[in-house]
Amino acid sequence: KQEVTQIPAALSVPEGENLVLNCSFTDSAIYNLQWFRQDPGKGLTSLLLIQSSQREQTSGRLNASLDKSSGRSTLYIAASQPGDSATYLCAVEFMEYGNKLVFGAGTILRVKS
Amino acid sequence: DADVTQTPRNRITKTGKRIMLECSQTKGHDRMYWYRQDPGLGLRLIYYSFDVKDINKGEISDGYSVSRQAQAKFSLSLESAIPNQTALYFCATSKGGGGNQPQHFGDGTRLSIL
Repeated sequence: KQEVTQIPAALSVPEGENLVLNCSFTDSAIYNLQWFRQDPGKGLTSLLLIQSSQREQTSGRLNASLDKSSGRSTLYIAASQPGDSATYLCAVEFMEYGNKLVFGAGTILRVKS
Repeated sequence: DADVTQTPRNRITKTGKRIMLECSQTKGHDRMYWYRQDPGLGLRLIYYSFDVKDINKGEISDGYSVSRQAQAKFSLSLESAIPNQTALYFCATSKGGGGNQPQHFGDGTRLSIL
């Protein structure tokens, strides 16, 4: 069974700090990996999608990397701000599972001002 | 207006009741999904539909049914609700025609079964 694991489950950092969120997955045969942000009372917002042929994607202060061989992805947030406080979810589209996503449980991020 | 709209946003009901959650989208996407989210477990796929005539079970379909009334509408039903179906439910959409398409989510329905 394909699984996605996120570490840490929660993280609290002071404003301005650079931080890394981790995601691991059990099968290297994937179509893509996606990072989402979830705010309280809201749905998920897609942040970055890394295709299996790519090593990283960048959007503003966010950079996501993908290492299929080791089954790992990281989401790097530069110069964190209180507005970055949210739950960050990693999801993988495994080839064996078809065009469907398997989600990790998420990392709850709090950026203190 | 939101691209993916879920109704109701909140619902409290009793065990044994039939409940329908509705999802509509204005994105023109072919693919629609229903997930539930429980604390500490992430999102799990209940049902998905890749076009109007295509309905598929996901990871946790027992106790649920769906209807794809049109390209833009996908409803989730709980035929006889039970307390362990208390959760946050999300609808999502994506483009068809292959993978590598991001999914777009509604704001969710918080369902409580007493």
